[in-house]
Amino acid sequence: SQTIHQWPATLVQPVGSPLSLECTVEGTSNPNLYWYRQAAGRGLQLLFYSVGIGQISSEVPQNLSASRPQDRQFILSSKKLLLSDSGFYLCAWGMGANYGYTFGSGTRLTVV
Amino acid sequence: KNQVEQSPQSLIILEGKNCTLQCNYTVSPFSNLRWYKQDTGRGPVSLTIMTFSENTKSNGRYTATLDADTKQSSLHITASQLSDSASYICVVSLQTGANNLFFGTGTRLTVIP
Repeated sequence: SQTIHQWPATLVQPVGSPLSLECTVEGTSNPNLYWYRQAAGRGLQLLFYSVGIGQISSEVPQNLSASRPQDRQFILSSKKLLLSDSGFYLCAWGMGANYGYTFGSGTRLTVV
Repeated sequence: KNQVEQSPQSLIILEGKNCTLQCNYTVSPFSNLRWYKQDTGRGPVSLTIMTFSENTKSNGRYTATLDADTKQSSLHITASQLSDSASYICVVSLQTGANNLFFGTGTRLTVIP
């Protein structure tokens, strides 16, 4: 069966520090991978998605970047965090419109 | 414009009571509609998925309905339990593309004893 791992669960980082959140998927090949951010009381906002190794599409201009160094690994990064980067970050994978999308357990990022 | 709207924004009900959450969408071309349950501080978990031809889908005490003509869906929760307290998110998919999900902002359900 397929599983998705996301870590860390919580993170407190000072302004200006770098960020690296990692997401890995097991039990499938060539999945579509997604990074979402969810602000308190708001819906999920798509940040990046990837349809293959090294292929990254960005949905909104921001202080973050994403990379997919391996088929089942998706990384969300920042060189210098801003206060506005605080939020709940979710990784997800899917195989297309007719299949389910599975979310990771999320990372609560607080930038102080 | 592709949009998904949910109502109510929040809801408080007594344990044991039933409730119905609403989802209206304008997403086209429509592929499927999913309801997710998201516990506080956790990732969303899929409850049901319905395609164009399906009118209803059940998962235990959760029953989702879909009217593709009016582009409306509802999630009915029967005999609510305290553990049902969560956000319920309606997600609609386009037929094609990797970036094909449209999310509602969710309904925050609180079940009180």
